[in-house]
Amino acid sequence: GAVVSQHPSWVICKSGTSVKIECRSLDFQATTMFWYRQFPKQSLMLMATSNEGSKATYEQGVEKDKFLINHASLTLSTLTVTSAHPEDSSFYICSASPGTMEETQYFGPGTRLLVL
Amino acid sequence: DQQVKQNSPSLSVQEGRISILNCDYTNSMFDYFLWYKKYPAEGPTFLISISSIKDKNEDGRFTVFLNKSAKHLSLHIVPSQPGDSAVYFCAASASNTGKLIFGQGTTLQVKP
Repeated sequence: GAVVSQHPSWVICKSGTSVKIECRSLDFQATTMFWYRQFPKQSLMLMATSNEGSKATYEQGVEKDKFLINHASLTLSTLTVTSAHPEDSSFYICSASPGTMEETQYFGPGTRLLVL
Repeated sequence: DQQVKQNSPSLSVQEGRISILNCDYTNSMFDYFLWYKKYPAEGPTFLISISSIKDKNEDGRFTVFLNKSAKHLSLHIVPSQPGDSAVYFCAASASNTGKLIFGQGTTLQVKP
């Protein structure tokens, strides 16, 4: 089956620093990658959609200057949380889609971010 | 505005019995529905899906039912096994947007 990895799996950082999270599709080329955020006991909230070689499309209420997304290749997308604050602490999950059918999404294992 | 709702935050079932997880949606443009299983600190794993042109899809112990007039879908797991204990998310998408909208999740506990 399709495998998506995320790195790091967890990170603790100081307030004001930036954190980069990588999402890789290991055995397929991902035309589209998605970034989600999940707060405890809540649903996964789509943050942004990125297509290789173009700018990410952000959901309403998501600050594009705070959550920088780069989809540099067909197997790698990165999410950078800039100037992180404690309220950014969350579980960040990426998913990748091999084609234009976004419902065929394969999820990474997630990255838990704790901002002190 | 919660377009996909799972009104039961938790469900407890005895091993061997049927588990029924429910999901309601409000957007009539949704035409594809999925169920995901999620363990703590892991990403969701796809379980089963259904297109709006169908009202039932079965895969082994898992069956998804769709009632479009009621904007309701359900996931049946039978027989339930302790390994099925996890959080189950339903998700919906509209072909004109392609985005997945998730429900809040239901925590299923299957007791031995």
